[in-house]
Amino acid sequence: SQQGEEDPQALSIQEGENATMNCSYKTSINNLQWYRQNSGRGLVHLILIRSNEREKHSGRLRVTLDTSKKSSSLLITASRAADTASYFCATDRSSGGSYIPTFGRGTSLIVHP
Amino acid sequence: DTAVSQTPKYLVTQMGNDKSIKCEQNLGHDTMYWYKQDSKKFLKIMFSYNNKELIINETVPNRFSPKSPDKAHLNLHINSLELGDSAVYFCASSRTGGYTEAFFGQGTRLTVV
Repeated sequence: SQQGEEDPQALSIQEGENATMNCSYKTSINNLQWYRQNSGRGLVHLILIRSNEREKHSGRLRVTLDTSKKSSSLLITASRAADTASYFCATDRSSGGSYIPTFGRGTSLIVHP
Repeated sequence: DTAVSQTPKYLVTQMGNDKSIKCEQNLGHDTMYWYKQDSKKFLKIMFSYNNKELIINETVPNRFSPKSPDKAHLNLHINSLELGDSAVYFCASSRTGGYTEAFFGQGTRLTVV
């Protein structure tokens, strides 16, 4: 399966700490994306990293990609209570010329105030 | 304006009934998707349409039938509902091609009793 597998499944930290989530996948990719899901809501795109990129930043988010290890990590620095959500990585599954975002189970992050 | 809207948000129905979930996007995207999220938060692709053409149909019971009357709409009809169909169903859309993010609706929580 090409879906990403996030690790850990759950993460609980204090406000101000950094949160690191990992994603592993099995087949080659064109890009990898990270999404966030607040409780009871749909997924919201955070960041996309291409297969030829190794690191990308967006505000307090830092994403790395290691295609040799087929893994990616999402780092949230100086976490806030509002960062409490589930975080999913998505790999792109090719089908008939289209690329289908393929997700795993996500990492549930709780940031305590 | 809501980019991807799906209705209803909640749906409670009895086993054996037939129900539909509607989805509309106003982003001008060519590709639309239906995902199912189970109680363990695993997000699984069900269908994907590109320009009203079905491009992915995962191993989904044929009781589930997507219908795309035009590029902006992708509805999901479910016949003979079963207890195991209880889940949150998400509609999403994206531009066609790689390196593109998906936009999700708020989800429809389906409960079959």
